[in-house]
Amino acid sequence: VIWMTQSPSLLSASTGDRVTISCRMSQGISSYLAWYQQKPGKAPELLIYAASTLQSGVPSRFSGSGSGTHFTLTISCLQSEDFATYYCQQYYSFPPTFGQGTKVEIK
Amino acid sequence: QVQLQQSGPGLVKPSQTLSLTCVISGDSVSSNSAAWNWIRQSPSRGLEWLGRTYYRSKWYNDYALSVKSRITINPDTSKNQFSLQLNSVTPEDTAVYYCARESVAGTSDYWGQGTLVTVSS
Repeated sequence: VIWMTQSPSLLSASTGDRVTISCRMSQGISSYLAWYQQKPGKAPELLIYAASTLQSGVPSRFSGSGSGTHFTLTISCLQSEDFATYYCQQYYSFPPTFGQGTKVEIK
Repeated sequence: QVQLQQSGPGLVKPSQTLSLTCVISGDSVSSNSAAWNWIRQSPSRGLEWLGRTYYRSKWYNDYALSVKSRITINPDTSKNQFSLQLNSVTPEDTAVYYCARESVAGTSDYWGQGTLVTVSS
């Protein structure tokens, strides 16, 4: 099983800020990493796959980077609708696993 | 547009079987390029992948080791849906359960609305 460490667990930010979330793997996963956004009471929504490919319909202020064991999700200019919890997921090896989540809250 | 609609009871007694169904629209459970997953979420375990079913000339299933002895995921081609059965549940199985489509890219691009299942007597 691949272990994932997502940080920070809580991020306080203001509208317009640039924010970065990190996801580290216990072993290399090439670029088989996805990022999801989840709002309270809703299912997660896919933002990015293959580490840096934006899912259709996702705003360009979201970007992903990294390969191997370290990945980042960046929101370039935080909007009000971006306050949510974000999860990374590796799908390099079975079973697919998720990070613990990063809650982005209003500062 | 793919849509997944979940149904099933929200309360299950300990030692009984949890059963949920996910109806697919906009795609086929028999698709050769998708897989159909069950994922659950709880405060203690976070997001946990449980298993999947998929068709590649024949039917396959994969299950998480943590539930492998208790889980069954079945496709129903006549109704274009798939189901989850989890036997011998305990309060540890209390969670929000999601069905999700796994695309050819390997990620879950469409999700059901989620079902909170509470295991309690």
